[in-house]
Amino acid sequence: AQKVTQAQTEISVVEKEDVTLDCVYETRDTTYYLFWYKQPPSGELVFLIRRNSFDEQNEISGRYSWNFQKSTSSFNFTITASQVVDSAVYFCALSEAHGSGNTGKLIFGQGTTLQVKP
Amino acid sequence: DTEVTQTPKHLVMGMTNKKSLKCEQHMGHRAMYWYKQKAKKPPELMFVYSYEKLSINESVPSRFSPECPNSSLLNLHLHALQPEDSALYLCASSLDRVGNEKLFFGSGTQLSVL
Repeated sequence: AQKVTQAQTEISVVEKEDVTLDCVYETRDTTYYLFWYKQPPSGELVFLIRRNSFDEQNEISGRYSWNFQKSTSSFNFTITASQVVDSAVYFCALSEAHGSGNTGKLIFGQGTTLQVKP
Repeated sequence: DTEVTQTPKHLVMGMTNKKSLKCEQHMGHRAMYWYKQKAKKPPELMFVYSYEKLSINESVPSRFSPECPNSSLLNLHLHALQPEDSALYLCASSLDRVGNEKLFFGSGTQLSVL
């Protein structure tokens, strides 16, 4: 069965601190995709990153970076020099590859609420 | 235009009412989704339309009835809802219904059933 675990329910940091959000996943598929979405108080989920199971390169985008480690089934997300605008709920998600009867359905983790205080 | 627009933003309805939620996108996406999200929980998939045909129904009660009139529009018809159906209803779209496609979400309809 597929599963995504975000063990951190809530994190509170002070502005300019670095913060890492953890994501651990379980799947028997050899081909799969991992995502991070941000949900600010306005409600819409905003896509942040997609990574396929064959690409273990870490990625950096501005203050955001992602560390994908297949050996530990983890896809962690780090925000450097956090800002108040980073306050949101962050979801990690796993998707099966489409085909062979797979639906491409997204399996979401429970989410981590990040509060960045000024 | 990279937006998914949902109306209304808020809806209060009684258990005997009939109402509809609307979703629209003009990105040429061929897959559209309805998700339900309770407070402090992740979104739960309800329905998926692919090329205007219903491809996934996650065992949703029949009091929720989806409709896809064309490739840009997605409706969710509500009838005889229960108070436990109160939630944020999110619409999303993607280029196609494959696992690697990123989803574009609307800001949702906050539904309260009295």
